[in-house]
Amino acid sequence: GAGVSQSPSNKVTEKGKDVELRCDPISGHTALYWYRQSLGQGLEFLIYFQGNSAPDKSGLPSDRFSAERTGGSVSTLTIQRTQQEDSAVYLCASSQGQVHGYTFGSGTRLTVV
Amino acid sequence: LAKTTQPISMDSYEGQEVNITCSHNNIATNDYITWYQQFPSQGPRFIIQGYKTKVTNEVASLFIPADRKSSTLSLPRVSLSDTAVYYCLVGEGYQKVTFGIGTKLQVIP
Repeated sequence: GAGVSQSPSNKVTEKGKDVELRCDPISGHTALYWYRQSLGQGLEFLIYFQGNSAPDKSGLPSDRFSAERTGGSVSTLTIQRTQQEDSAVYLCASSQGQVHGYTFGSGTRLTVV
Repeated sequence: LAKTTQPISMDSYEGQEVNITCSHNNIATNDYITWYQQFPSQGPRFIIQGYKTKVTNEVASLFIPADRKSSTLSLPRVSLSDTAVYYCLVGEGYQKVTFGIGTKLQVIP
């Protein structure tokens, strides 16, 4: 596609429920990144995919967080048993060839109530 | 990964040139310097990238001194629509990158 697409754009969930966030990267981009941004804060790295593999999962905050990427394209970030501190904007970016030329999506705003 | 330091906030009047400096004292030989712009409720947007000396595109200029321990993003004749957060990143290749808090630029009418 023309840009990175994320869905849903907004998600309100009850504490303890599981949520899935989806990212459709730019076609042909082999690298895919997930970041989290809390209100008024910078971006916190979560995980990076190169193709379908994830060489760097060091940013995932707990074992409640997991992510997968299939077919070298779409990625899903899953948060199990959501907590209020999980509330944030989750941003996805993709890249191909350029050192740090990430293209970001508009994010999913997650609110845990 | 090289750590970066930039001002938390800056104010500027419309029509002025704005220079935002980023310090990166432990930049590595292969590291590039990249700047992003983020508007509220949007993901960051790539502005400009450089390795050394000066780079210019239709949006901004990037000045990098010979020792590469700092860089300056220059925005010519800013308008209200340039009000945003600007992030300086240093690194190379595909790797974990920390964006930090960035510099919040407020353009005043």
